[in-house]
Amino acid sequence: DQQVKQNSPSLSVQEGRISILNCDYTNSMFDYFLWYKKYPAEGPTFLISISSIKDKNEDGRFTVFLNKSAKHLSLHIVPSQPGDSAVYFCAASGRAGGTSYGKLTFGQGTILTVHP
Amino acid sequence: EAGVAQSPRYKIIEKRQSVAFWCNPISGHATLYWYQQILGQGPKLLIQFQNNGVVDDSQLPKDRFSAERLKGVDSTLKIQPAKLEDSAVYLCASSLVSWAEAFFGQGTRLTVV
Repeated sequence: DQQVKQNSPSLSVQEGRISILNCDYTNSMFDYFLWYKKYPAEGPTFLISISSIKDKNEDGRFTVFLNKSAKHLSLHIVPSQPGDSAVYFCAASGRAGGTSYGKLTFGQGTILTVHP
Repeated sequence: EAGVAQSPRYKIIEKRQSVAFWCNPISGHATLYWYQQILGQGPKLLIQFQNNGVVDDSQLPKDRFSAERLKGVDSTLKIQPAKLEDSAVYLCASSLVSWAEAFFGQGTRLTVV
């Protein structure tokens, strides 16, 4: 039962353009969402998060959008840089008191390649 | 601030052998996680500790996997006996509180042959 899905295994964009990574979830108890970036031979690194009370959170070049009705979130990177090339994981956690509280459920990841 | 430390970085063992991984979380982080990441998949939670108590081990194959967190700091994850399907990267992570962003170590890549 894949509760968090990233349906695009890979994405290739040109330097300077926008990268849009998508994530869908099925568990309506999820209320906190995160994006992690992972370089080869390293552990995932936290990038940005959003609570279900918001629909947008911005941090520099990175913006996460949340559409609760569609159970969909996306990560926008503008402008994309070659150093952004990595695997991006979306993750979700549940409400306090629920079985998924404080635990991260990850998607399968999307490999982003930014070409110079 | 020192990050999450894991050792070893790589391990190759034969099936039916045993193996242990070690993790030292960020100082002061009460919550510690062990994740298993199989190639091409996202990390899957194996066990979560709050201080030295187990919060969730529902996805830990308890017939062969065990984990402990002594004194609420370092943790070890053991596999005995290993199977071919245990080949994966084992990631340790810690967070200040259970709902906060987790910080990951570099992981241990296990190959079972």
